[in-house]
Amino acid sequence: EPEVTQTPSHQVTQMGQEVILRCVPISNHLYFYWYRQILGQKVEFLVSFYNNEISEKSEIFDDQFSVERPDGSNFTLKIRSTKLEDSAMYFCASSESHGSNQPQHFGDGTRLSIL
Amino acid sequence: KQEVTQIPAALSVPEGENLVLNCSFTDSAIYNLQWFRQDPGKGLTSLLLIQSSQREQTSGRLNASLDKSSGRSTLYIAASQPGDSATYLCAVSLLHAGNNRKLIWGLGTSLAVNP
Repeated sequence: EPEVTQTPSHQVTQMGQEVILRCVPISNHLYFYWYRQILGQKVEFLVSFYNNEISEKSEIFDDQFSVERPDGSNFTLKIRSTKLEDSAMYFCASSESHGSNQPQHFGDGTRLSIL
Repeated sequence: KQEVTQIPAALSVPEGENLVLNCSFTDSAIYNLQWFRQDPGKGLTSLLLIQSSQREQTSGRLNASLDKSSGRSTLYIAASQPGDSATYLCAVSLLHAGNNRKLIWGLGTSLAVNP
């Protein structure tokens, strides 16, 4: 069964450094999402992306964050200057359409640790 | 603002028991509701999706029900097994959201099934 893949599985970065998290959504999917989960907290929406542009972004998704779909397969989340509070599990998701019967499919996540 | 709550926060049962996990949401204008499973340190696996027009969905030993008017969903697990031990998360998407079907999450129920 097709799946969403995320790399790396774990990223350790010094505070202030840039980090890029990578995702390969399911190939025929059109809608893409990033979420994050800080340890012990709820999963939080960061950004949604469709037709090569951001559909919606949360308050968390400030100027330090950006997303890109540089080619037909990858979907990346960049954090320009990481902070300690960016430490979290980051999940990428995709869905085929916006039909109410279409689930979002998630990758295994990237654990980001900021030192 | 939509809020999702899950009760109980944790549950420990002996193998073979039937059990019910609860999810409640404050705004009944939902598009769909998904139940996910999360193993420790791992990704999010979609278990069941219920569209807002549906009352229940079944997959194997899992049955999810939806009562939109009262803002509740339950996940019923029949004949629980130790392999069911995980955190179960409930998430809703909003009805009037245009091109964005972001998911709003509960904190989850941590289930331990003891042999």
